[in-house]
Amino acid sequence: DGGITQSPKYLFRKEGQNVTLSCEQNLNHDAMYWYRQDPGQGLRLIYYSQIVNDFQKGDIAEGYSVSREKKESFPLTVTSAQKNPTAFYLCASTPRDRAGYGYTFGSGTRLTVV
Amino acid sequence: GQQVMQIPQYQHVQEGEDFTTYCNSSTTLSNIQWYKQRPGGHPVFLIQLVKSGEVKKQKRLTFQFGEAKKNSSLHITATQTTDVGTYFCAGGKLIFGQGTELSVKP
Repeated sequence: DGGITQSPKYLFRKEGQNVTLSCEQNLNHDAMYWYRQDPGQGLRLIYYSQIVNDFQKGDIAEGYSVSREKKESFPLTVTSAQKNPTAFYLCASTPRDRAGYGYTFGSGTRLTVV
Repeated sequence: GQQVMQIPQYQHVQEGEDFTTYCNSSTTLSNIQWYKQRPGGHPVFLIQLVKSGEVKKQKRLTFQFGEAKKNSSLHITATQTTDVGTYFCAGGKLIFGQGTELSVKP
């Protein structure tokens, strides 16, 4: 079945460490997105990419970095510069730029800084 | 910048009661989408509305898009325990509302 795979499901990080969250899709979707969700809050856009080798900052890109070397993959690195990284991270994709298409979300990664 | 506000933040209902969540934008939206997130899960796409005044139904769920395309609502008739979760609207340029968390008492 086609879908989005995020790994790991749970991740613990020590302060000062960088960590990379994986997102892989086999839906042949062009656009991919990273959102952050904090308890009791909505989704905030971190980065998005509409085509390979191109990506744009969202509303809360500071302290994060991404790459899009392959259509299927859009990994997110949470750097030590991110002051409050503990959150639920969701990866999503659409056939092209979101207008007109619903997001397909992965099951998420819960990151905890210890 | 563009904002999408959703109310209420929480709603507790008795099973069988109706439920409505509202989504309001500061600007005109080209379309609006609705998602459901079960506790501990991820958002799942429910529907998209595009036309001014559009109304769509999915069984007990009714979705409306305002005439000015600045607001939308999701109404659930006769809630069931399976309706529990957080309902999000998303409109404009990748903007999500804060969500309405629905709890249903059996």
